[in-house]
Amino acid sequence: QKEVEQDPGPLSVPEGAIVSLNCTYSNSAFQYFMWYRQYSRKGPELLMYTYSSGNKEDGRFTAQVDKSSKYISLFIRDSQPSDSATYLCAMKDTDYKLSFGAGTTVTVRA
Amino acid sequence: DAGVTQSPTHLIKTRGQQVTLRCSPKSGHDTVSWYQQALGQGPQFIFQYYEEEERQRGNFPDRFSGHQFPNYSSELNVNALLLGDSALYLCASSFPGTYNEQFFGPGTRLTVL
Repeated sequence: QKEVEQDPGPLSVPEGAIVSLNCTYSNSAFQYFMWYRQYSRKGPELLMYTYSSGNKEDGRFTAQVDKSSKYISLFIRDSQPSDSATYLCAMKDTDYKLSFGAGTTVTVRA
Repeated sequence: DAGVTQSPTHLIKTRGQQVTLRCSPKSGHDTVSWYQQALGQGPQFIFQYYEEEERQRGNFPDRFSGHQFPNYSSELNVNALLLGDSALYLCASSFPGTYNEQFFGPGTRLTVL
């Protein structure tokens, strides 16, 4: 079993829809959670960073963490074609490495 | 303000050869991590350098080695290349003492034939 599970999709939504992405994990020591966006043939770009359980909002993006269920989510409101990318969840405990999911490919149709 | 930069952009090598990849961290960052991203997969942690020392290592063989220079830039060396080493190699840097937030460069795409 992988430490971080993420449905690879692909996910296709019409412009303006809400995009819902999620990851599950098995390591209860994880306490820092991130979402990265990666365009084709580019490096990952940090979108959201949260510590422990709870919600965090930044513009059209909302990140949720439920440590009791070992489940994290990212919601993108009013999606735009420019949001078409692969979204990677990442998490870490108190050491230095990030553990990533496989990524979900999202296409927003104009 | 320049972000994380990596060179070269692309590289083609043959099995058994050696390769060196380079990374310059974001201005003000002192910690550099290297990741390997195979096609369709998430990045896998190779190692992290801080104060010119390898601070943590992932599950990669000794063929993978690195170095950090006094100006915080870093190199990743891979010896005896295998076909399975073909991947996007990513460098990430972070602020002093805040290694939770890691900022990635564009990567070097290595193809081993």
